[in-house]
Amino acid sequence: AQTVTQSQPEMSVQEAETVTLSCTYDTSENNYYLFWYKQPPSRQMILVIRQEAYKQQNATENRFSVNFQKAAKSFSLKISDSQLGDTAMYFCAFMILGSSNTGKLIFGQGTTLQVKP
Amino acid sequence: ETGVTQSPTHLIKTRGQQVTLRCSSQSGHNTVSWYQQALGQGPQFIFQYYREEENGRGNFPPRFSGLQFPNYSSELNVNALELDDSALYLCASTPDRLNTEAFFGQGTRLTVV
Repeated sequence: AQTVTQSQPEMSVQEAETVTLSCTYDTSENNYYLFWYKQPPSRQMILVIRQEAYKQQNATENRFSVNFQKAAKSFSLKISDSQLGDTAMYFCAFMILGSSNTGKLIFGQGTTLQVKP
Repeated sequence: ETGVTQSPTHLIKTRGQQVTLRCSSQSGHNTVSWYQQALGQGPQFIFQYYREEENGRGNFPPRFSGLQFPNYSSELNVNALELDDSALYLCASTPDRLNTEAFFGQGTRLTVV
């Protein structure tokens, strides 16, 4: 079975501080992508960061970075210099590559992050 | 804004009825996927359409069906609505079926009473 587990239902952080959201996944495939999506109250799912499983270097996007541990099947998201606008639900997801699977995102249960002023 | 639009934004239906949800994909995108997101949960993949044909399906019963039109817009149809069908339905489009960069719409909130 292919699953994604986010063990932290809720987290909070003070503005300007750093927070790390955890994610583990399970798959027997080798060729896949990992994602973090943000879903604010507006409901629209927004891509935060993406990591190709074959790349050892961790992806970064401005204040967002990941710690990808392929052997441990772990994919955590670090948000630096947290801003009030980062308040949202965050979903970890992966996608197996292959014509029958590409496009099928498998999501975790989500972590609600609140950034406090 | 992603360029993916869904309609309607909210909908209330009675158990047993049928519903059609609509999605206009981003310009140039020929692949559309649909997801069901129950309250407080992560989205679950329903199915994907590529060039007007179903190209993969999740663990949903046949009463969930879809269409994709020549302009690549899409519909999700649900027959014989059940209370558990109450959820946020998300549409995502990608430039093609092998592309991993999905752009999501704002979703349709369906309530079945």
